[in-house]
Amino acid sequence: GEQVEQRPPHLSVREGDSAIIICTYTDSATAYFSWYKQEAGAGLQLLMSVLSNVDRKEEQGLTVLLNKKDKQLSLNLTAAHPGDSAVYFCAVGGRGSALGRLHFGAGTQLIVIP
Amino acid sequence: GPKVLQIPSHQIIDMGQMVTLNCDPVSNHLYFYWYKQILGQQMEFLVNFYNGKVMEKSKLFKDQFSVERPDGSYFTLKIQPTALEDSAVYFCASSLADKNTLYFGAGTRLSVL
Repeated sequence: GEQVEQRPPHLSVREGDSAIIICTYTDSATAYFSWYKQEAGAGLQLLMSVLSNVDRKEEQGLTVLLNKKDKQLSLNLTAAHPGDSAVYFCAVGGRGSALGRLHFGAGTQLIVIP
Repeated sequence: GPKVLQIPSHQIIDMGQMVTLNCDPVSNHLYFYWYKQILGQQMEFLVNFYNGKVMEKSKLFKDQFSVERPDGSYFTLKIQPTALEDSAVYFCASSLADKNTLYFGAGTRLSVL
C-alpha cells in the first residue's frame, strides 16, 4: 500500500525566511495531493490541493510543487510569519480512492521566530 | 470556512467500557469519515460513510467499532468494548460531493485506562 514520508519533523525559521516541507510517496497511481495546516486545538485546515496533471501551484505565499518522477511533493512558504506556526501535513490519495481515503504524512511542526 | 465540530475534545474511559465520539459535520455535506492518530504516528483512515452506509473501511476499523448518523444528527463512532490500543486522537471529517476536499474537526483525544 501507499507509504508517505514527510520531512523534516520539526522546522524553525525566522520571520520572512522561506520554509520548505517535503513528502515522498510510493504509489505511482497517486492522483490527488494536498497540504493541511493544524493550529493548536483546531482542526486540519486545507491549504492547497493539486491533481497529478499539475506540477506547480501558487496561492497567497504558498507554493506546491509536484515531482511525479521522484514521487515528491513539496510545500514552500515563501515568506513565513509567526501566524504560520503550526503543524503541517501532506495527504495524498489514489485515483481509485473515491471516498476520501487519504494517506497522511507524519506532520511537520513549523515554528516561525519573530 | 466550513467547520466540523467534535464533542468532546477529550474522553477518558476504563478499558472494556463503551464510548461514543460525536461529530457535527458541515451542514450540507454528504460524506463522512473517521481517522485515527496514535500519539507520534501518522493519521490513518478508519472508515467512510455515505447515504447511511459504510462505503469503505480499513483494517483498523475493528469489529468493536461502529458508525452511524441517525436522522441527520451527529455522525458517531462507537467503540464497544474499548481496549487499551484504542487510545488515540480520532478525527472526524466531512465532504460535499468533491470526493477529496475533506474538512476536519479538531479531534477527540480518547484515553483508555
